[in-house]
Amino acid sequence: ETGVTQSPTHLIKTRGQQVTLRCSSQSGHNTVSWYQQALGQGPQFIFQYYREEENGRGNFPPRFSGLQFPNYSSELNVNALELDDSALYLCASSLGRLEGSYEQYFGPGTRLTVT
Amino acid sequence: LAKTTQPISMDSYEGQEVNITCSHNNIATNDYITWYQQFPSQGPRFIIQGYKTKVTNEVASLFIPADRKSSTLSLPRVSLSDTAVYYCLVGDAPEAAGNKLTFGGGTRVLVKP
Repeated sequence: ETGVTQSPTHLIKTRGQQVTLRCSSQSGHNTVSWYQQALGQGPQFIFQYYREEENGRGNFPPRFSGLQFPNYSSELNVNALELDDSALYLCASSLGRLEGSYEQYFGPGTRLTVT
Repeated sequence: LAKTTQPISMDSYEGQEVNITCSHNNIATNDYITWYQQFPSQGPRFIIQGYKTKVTNEVASLFIPADRKSSTLSLPRVSLSDTAVYYCLVGDAPEAAGNKLTFGGGTRVLVKP
């Protein structure tokens, strides 16, 4: 059984550019959540996908968007990058809210630097 | 959403028991308490979840008093590898909240030799 994987590991982009981050969920998990973690802060919830549909969104602007594919892998897209978007982006997979647990399995993250 | 307050940092020594207390004075009836651990440059890892009284698993215990306004994560006999940030999260039942995690600032635990 493979864990949650994310790609790329590190990324450097210029302000105004667009970026796509990818996540492969743990086998059997149908729910994927994305989080942004600034240096020295706790992770902040961006949004969640359940069976290919967005299932909740945090306080992030529309330029943060996502997709979930039939195999439950996911993408996070950020348009018009700003310097404040520099952070560690974490993906977490789980069996979904009906499991009655807050246990989510996190990937190692993608470190995005915007210059 | 119940606000949580936990110490910014704690120091301990190998072999000692570490207790981290989290305050959540406005916890709601349906709220659950969850703890996560995060090592540098890694994603958080689920430790334990509870609703009331005491929950124990192979790595930690969670103590929740009757009024549920606080909770204590207990790590028995810590080792150097337990140095990490520990997050206390309080939120509605997963079935209702959509399994969304709301992290605060966490407690940085440093285990010394």
